[in-house]
Amino acid sequence: DSGVTQTPKHLITATGQRVTLRCSPRSGDLSVYWYQQSLDQGLQFLIQYYNGEERAKGNILERFSAQQFPDLHSELNLSSLELGDSALYFCASSVESAGNTIYFGEGSWLTVV
Amino acid sequence: AQSVTQLGSHVSVSEGALVLLRCNYSSSVPPYLFWYVQYPNQGLQLLLKYTSAATLVKGINGFEAEFKKSETSFHLTKPSAHMSDAAEYFCAVSGPWGATNKLIFGTGTLLAVQP
Repeated sequence: DSGVTQTPKHLITATGQRVTLRCSPRSGDLSVYWYQQSLDQGLQFLIQYYNGEERAKGNILERFSAQQFPDLHSELNLSSLELGDSALYFCASSVESAGNTIYFGEGSWLTVV
Repeated sequence: AQSVTQLGSHVSVSEGALVLLRCNYSSSVPPYLFWYVQYPNQGLQLLLKYTSAATLVKGINGFEAEFKKSETSFHLTKPSAHMSDAAEYFCAVSGPWGATNKLIFGTGTLLAVQP
C-alpha cells in the first residue's frame, strides 16, 4: 500500500460525458502528479500540483483539468470524453525534493463507450 | 530533452535464469533514475532508485541496477528469476527540471518468466 488513494477504481461512461477522478496523497506529501497510461501512448505525465498551485504541465488535453484543494486532495476532471480517452489514470504524490520517491496509487480505469 | 529508452518491449526468461532489462537515459545534467514495477491490475511500485550516492543500487525482491555514466545506462538485473517476477518494468528519469521533479518514463518492458 503506497498510501495514495484513488477513486473510483473503475468507471465506464459514454462519449461526450464528463467524469471526475479523485486522489488523496500520502500524508505529508504536498506534490500531486497525474499520469495517463494507455497502450498506444504509454505512461504520460499530465500535470503536477504543489500545495494547491499548478507546478508543471505535460501532455494534458484542453478538455482535461485538475486542481488541488486546501486539504491537498486532488481531482482530475475529464470532459467531452472520447473513445481514445479510455485509459488508466494514475495519481502519485511526493515530497517535492530532487530525487525523492514518487508514490503511485492503484489507478482509476476509465472506459469510454 | 531528458528521456529514457528501454530496449526490448518483451523479454522472456526461464525460471532461475538471469534477468537483464536495459535502460539508457538522455540527460544534460546528472539525473535521478528509477525502476518501477507494475504487476497486473496494480499500480506502480518502486523497485530502486539512483540518486548519486552509489553507482550500484540494490532494490527490493533481489533486483539491482548499476549507473554507468560513460554508457548513459541504468540496466536492471536479478541473478535468478522467479515466476513472481512476471510483470511490466519501467525505467524513469527525474530532474529537477525547473520547478518540477516529475518522472519521465520509458515505454516499459514486459517480463515473462517461463517454468
